Order: sequence, then C-alpha cells, then structure tokens
Amino acid sequence: AQKITQTQPGMFVQEKEAVTLDCTYDTSDPSYGLFWYKQPSSGEMIFLIYQGSYDQQNATEGRYSLNFQKARKSANLVISASQLGDSAMYFCAMREGMDNAGNMLTFGGGTRLMVKP
Amino acid sequence: GAVVSQHPSWVICKSGTSVKIECRSLDFQATTMFWYRQFPKQSLMLMATSNEGSKATYEQGVEKDKFLINHASLTLSTLTVTSAHPEDSSFYICSAGTTGYSNQPQHFGDGTRLSIL
Repeated sequence: AQKITQTQPGMFVQEKEAVTLDCTYDTSDPSYGLFWYKQPSSGEMIFLIYQGSYDQQNATEGRYSLNFQKARKSANLVISASQLGDSAMYFCAMREGMDNAGNMLTFGGGTRLMVKP
Repeated sequence: GAVVSQHPSWVICKSGTSVKIECRSLDFQATTMFWYRQFPKQSLMLMATSNEGSKATYEQGVEKDKFLINHASLTLSTLTVTSAHPEDSSFYICSAGTTGYSNQPQHFGDGTRLSIL
C-alpha cells in the first residue's frame, strides 16, 4: 500500500491566488514527521516545511502553511499568493519512527504546479 | 543552513564506463546518507542508505554490484555506477541527515544527470 499519496498529478493556479496541494499518508507509528519539498526543473530538492506528529499547531513558513489533520492522516500544503517562481514539482514525504534526520524519507508521487500569469 | 554538495552535475559517457558520483556534507557531519534515483516525471526512488563506516543497505531490486556505495567519512559518500549501460541513464540525487536531530529535514544535493550513450 502507498504510504504517501498525492492525488493531484498536475494543477494550475492563477498568479497571486492561493493553492492547496493534497497529501495523505499511512502509518501505524505514533512518531513521524511530514515534509514538503519543491523540485524546480533544474532538479534540486528544496525543503519547504515540516510538521511533526506531536506538533499541536499547523506549521507555517512564510507563504507556505501545512494543513495538518492528524485524524484524517492528511498534510496538505497551502501556498498563498502564488508567484510564477512557484511553478515546480512538489513532493510530500514522511519519516517514520523516532523522529530524527537519520531515518529514511518516503515520497509521494508528486504534484506539478503551474502558475499562470 | 546545511549544505550538501553533489558532483558532477552532468555526466555523459559511453556504455561500459564506470561513473562515480560524490556527495559531500559541507557544514555538518552526516551520519546517514541516502541515494535516490529519479526517472523523468516520476518521484524519487530510494536506492540505498549508507551509514558512515558500515556497508550500505540497499532497497529491494537494486543491484549491489551495479551501484557501489561507499561512506568512508562523516562528510563524504560516493555512488559508483559500474559498467554503465543506457538503461542506467537517470537523475541521481543524494541526501544527508544526522541521527538525533528531530525536526531537521534531510538536505539534498543538486543531483547528477547521467546519460549513457
């Protein structure tokens, strides 16, 4: 079974509007971390935002926020005020077990976001 | 912030050649490094996990003798694609993490585009 599911292969958003990228996950471990990465066409993976399973509040980083609904096992990324430079692939990822950076990440299939001028 | 350097960025070589890709953590000690492979328009697929001073752990279906991984120090891991063939052409990307640091993301190199003629 897929551990990380991103149901939107591609999305369009108008410049300056907000957009939500969906991510659902599956784990039986009570301790986990959820990440979003951006991958532009040049290929590098850019870390955007992190949410820990025990965090009480939704994470925010500038224009990025994470809508964390633990009971529903979803961790949607919200990008506010979209910019042309936001056009890229976006990956949701999960790290299970003891929450430390030495554990592997499992990635979703990705969502290609295209921002229209 | 933490930086991971990956070299080379691009490699074009003839079939049968062995290719070495380096992944260095520049400002932190990476106890664990991960190697991923990514086909066009697909997600990252974990190939192997390497811990400093020990043998790498390969994911199912990844040939150990084909993809040699060495993690000789806390700042350097190498992936060698031995006797490369056209089907090995892909985007390879490494990431590095440090055990014990919760909330910290894995930091990725910029990737290597490998083309085998």
